[in-house]
Amino acid sequence: DTEVTQTPKHLVMGMTNKKSLKCEQHMGHRAMYWYKQKAKKPPELMFVYSYEKLSINESVPSRFSPECPNSSLLNLHLHALQPEDSALYLCASTQGNYGYTFGSGTRLTVV
Amino acid sequence: AQTVTQSQPEMSVQDAETVTLSCTYDTSENNYYLFWYKQPPSRQMILVIRQEAYKQQNATENRFSVNFQKAAKSFSLKISDSQLGDTAMYFCAFMDNFGNEKLTFGTGTRLTIIP
Repeated sequence: DTEVTQTPKHLVMGMTNKKSLKCEQHMGHRAMYWYKQKAKKPPELMFVYSYEKLSINESVPSRFSPECPNSSLLNLHLHALQPEDSALYLCASTQGNYGYTFGSGTRLTVV
Repeated sequence: AQTVTQSQPEMSVQDAETVTLSCTYDTSENNYYLFWYKQPPSRQMILVIRQEAYKQQNATENRFSVNFQKAAKSFSLKISDSQLGDTAMYFCAFMDNFGNEKLTFGTGTRLTIIP
């Protein structure tokens, strides 16, 4: 299995909702990432997990809460989001400096 | 902090032709890694090619090759015999050698292959 799987592919949520994004990989990669990507822009790093521990938080607002329950799974919990949080959320994993394997992303719309 | 610059927001080329995408970066490090990623309309980021800074030989993957000029901090991507499936956003990216494997992306070049 050489894939990173993200669910759901599309999500529409209200500003008072709580939802979660899920990311899964079975390649044994030790590092997993959440990126946010706005249209026609490069991905922006949000969080890095290394060996299941949060190693980097790029000053992301607390309405985004990451979780790494095990070495294969990464979640992003969403609460009280704003319309400007609408974006493509990409998950990626890596084992060293060989480059990332990305998932196909979750297209999030906040209404 | 490292920065990555892609000076060509958009490019287009006829299919079967060759096209070169430019990328420059700024770093004070000597050991690092450079990447080109492709993001087609399907939105999945796909690794195209990888270059290790301590290797002088330019990386090649089938129709894709790079021109890595370490002193000039330049890392261009050449696509030969371009195909319609090459239409995508292309991002140049930098990774340092400090172990956090954090990727810094350029602003991207939108490439359109014209039939």
